[in-house]
Amino acid sequence: EPEVTQTPSHQVTQMGQEVILRCVPISNHLYFYWYRQILGQKVEFLVSFYNNEISEKSEIFDDQFSVERPDGSNFTLKIRSTKLEDSAMYFCASSEGTGGAGELFFGEGSRLTVL
Amino acid sequence: TQLLEQSPQFLSIQEGENLTVYCNSSSVFSSLQWYRQEPGEGPVLLVTVVTGGEVKKLKRLTFQFGDARKDSSLHITAAQPGDTGLYLCAGGISSNDYKLSFGAGTTVTVRA
Repeated sequence: EPEVTQTPSHQVTQMGQEVILRCVPISNHLYFYWYRQILGQKVEFLVSFYNNEISEKSEIFDDQFSVERPDGSNFTLKIRSTKLEDSAMYFCASSEGTGGAGELFFGEGSRLTVL
Repeated sequence: TQLLEQSPQFLSIQEGENLTVYCNSSSVFSSLQWYRQEPGEGPVLLVTVVTGGEVKKLKRLTFQFGDARKDSSLHITAAQPGDTGLYLCAGGISSNDYKLSFGAGTTVTVRA
């Protein structure tokens, strides 16, 4: 069964360092997303990406964050200068369609720990 | 931000009992999805409901979308320990909405 894969599963970094989280969405999906979940809190939307550009982003997704689809398969989330409060599980998701019509399939997540 | 409230927050029952989890909002959703999340893993989609009043069944799980598309429920019949997990509802506002708003989840524990 097709699945969304994410790497690394866990990354520990020092505050101020750059981090890149990688995702391989399901191959025939057109819409890509990053969500995050701080320990014990809700899953929160960060950004959606379609047709090689950001289609929507939340207030969390500030200038420290960027996304890229560098080739036909990978979808990356970069945090330029990590802060302690960026520690969270980051989930990549993909869908065939958009929000109301599209069912999201999530990866297993990348746990980011900022020290 | 469209707020989805889930209740109860925690639910612990004995194997064989029935349970219902609720998801409510003041907003109208074009669709609503239910996910199950295990610790340290990503949410796994269980079902999507799109029509007001719609009822979907997945083995012992029954999902209902409210007539006004503002609320939904998940009912589990004869719960088993394997049903233990965090159940999340998530809603999309419009067919052009690129994001889902998630509820905080209901942690279900089924005791053997």
